[in-house]
Amino acid sequence: EPEVTQTPSHQVTQMGQEVILRCVPISNHLYFYWYRQILGQKVEFLVSFYNNEISEKSEIFDDQFSVERPDGSNFTLKIRSTKLEDSAMYFCASTTERRAYEKLFFGSGTQLSVL
Amino acid sequence: KQEVTQIPAALSVPEGENLVLNCSFTDSAIYNLQWFRQDPGKGLTSLLLIQSSQREQTSGRLNASLDKSSGRSTLYIAASQPGDSATYLCAVTGGTASKLTFGTGTRLQVTL
Repeated sequence: EPEVTQTPSHQVTQMGQEVILRCVPISNHLYFYWYRQILGQKVEFLVSFYNNEISEKSEIFDDQFSVERPDGSNFTLKIRSTKLEDSAMYFCASTTERRAYEKLFFGSGTQLSVL
Repeated sequence: KQEVTQIPAALSVPEGENLVLNCSFTDSAIYNLQWFRQDPGKGLTSLLLIQSSQREQTSGRLNASLDKSSGRSTLYIAASQPGDSATYLCAVTGGTASKLTFGTGTRLQVTL
């Protein structure tokens, strides 16, 4: 079964450094998302992306965050200057169409630790 | 602002028992509701999706119901097995169908 692939599975970085989290969505999917889950807390929406632009973003997704689909397969989340509170599991997700019957498929996540 | 709550937060049952997980949401104007399974350190696996116009969905031993007007959903697991041990998350999609709002999850342990 096709799956969403995320790399790396774990990323450790120093506060203030830039990180790029990578995702390869399922090939025929058109809508892409990033979510995050801080340890012990709910999964939170960050951003949705369609047709090479952001369609919606949360208040968490400030100027330090950016997303890009640099080619036909990858979808990246960049954090420009990481903070301690950015430590979380980051999930990429994708779906074919934004219809009521379409499931969202999630990757296995990237655990980001900011020291 | 949509809020999703799940009860109980944790549940431990012996193998073979039937069980019910509960989810409630504050804004009934939802597009759909999904139940996910999350294993430790792993991603989220979609188990069932109920469209706002539907009342229930079934997959194998799992049955999910939706009462949109009262803002509630239940996930029924029949004949539980140790392999069902995981965290179960409920999530709703709002009117724009753009994002999911997740609940706090129910951590299930099925013992031998």
